Amino acid sequence: DAKTTQPTSMDCAEGRAANLPCNHSTISGNEYVYWYRQIHSQGPQYIIHGLKNNETNEMASLIITEDRKSSTLILPHATLRDTAVYYCIPQGFGNEKLTFGTGTRLTIIP
Amino acid sequence: GAVVSQHPSRVICKSGTSVKIECRSLDFQATTMFWYRQFPKQSLMLMATSNEGSKATYEQGVEKDKFLINHASLTLSTLTVTSAHPEDSSFYICSATGQGGVREKLFFGSGTQLSVL
Repeated sequence: DAKTTQPTSMDCAEGRAANLPCNHSTISGNEYVYWYRQIHSQGPQYIIHGLKNNETNEMASLIITEDRKSSTLILPHATLRDTAVYYCIPQGFGNEKLTFGTGTRLTIIP
Repeated sequence: GAVVSQHPSRVICKSGTSVKIECRSLDFQATTMFWYRQFPKQSLMLMATSNEGSKATYEQGVEKDKFLINHASLTLSTLTVTSAHPEDSSFYICSATGQGGVREKLFFGSGTQLSVL
């Protein structure tokens, strides 16, 4: 499995865009980049995933560099409910066995 | 979206007793379910993978005789912690995936906080 590097923690002001980076320089050609988040004392929640094109859904946008060695998750208008640990996980499509790293603890500040 | 229900959300038990945790997929058929464990301030650690109708595959270091997993139907998997001890106290989380459109992501239960006295 590809290894990832994420900041341990980040703060973001409420209403601003939160940009969470992830390095995955060893990602293989058939691995997607998945993002999940875990709010305190809850199970993880799927956010978004992509292969090489940028993706957007109702929760977030995902920007993947052309070389696919890094990506950025963007929460366009962060709210207090977005405070959580965010995990970036390279994963082969259909290989559902997710390996969680340490993630980024995002704190949204009022 | 697909929903995974996990019960109980919290359980306190005496050392030496067994505890069963249920994980149900409410609106899709879960061909594969995963069980994770999470200690305070740590990340999720995969314990085992179960496919409906077959024996679970355990990760290295996880005792299969202690953590019994049953995936008898496409909507239900159970994890039984046998002869629980205080060191088994942890947050246990199940996840599930299925076929078709649900296959591309994992859906997680809300977790079970187990406290062994």
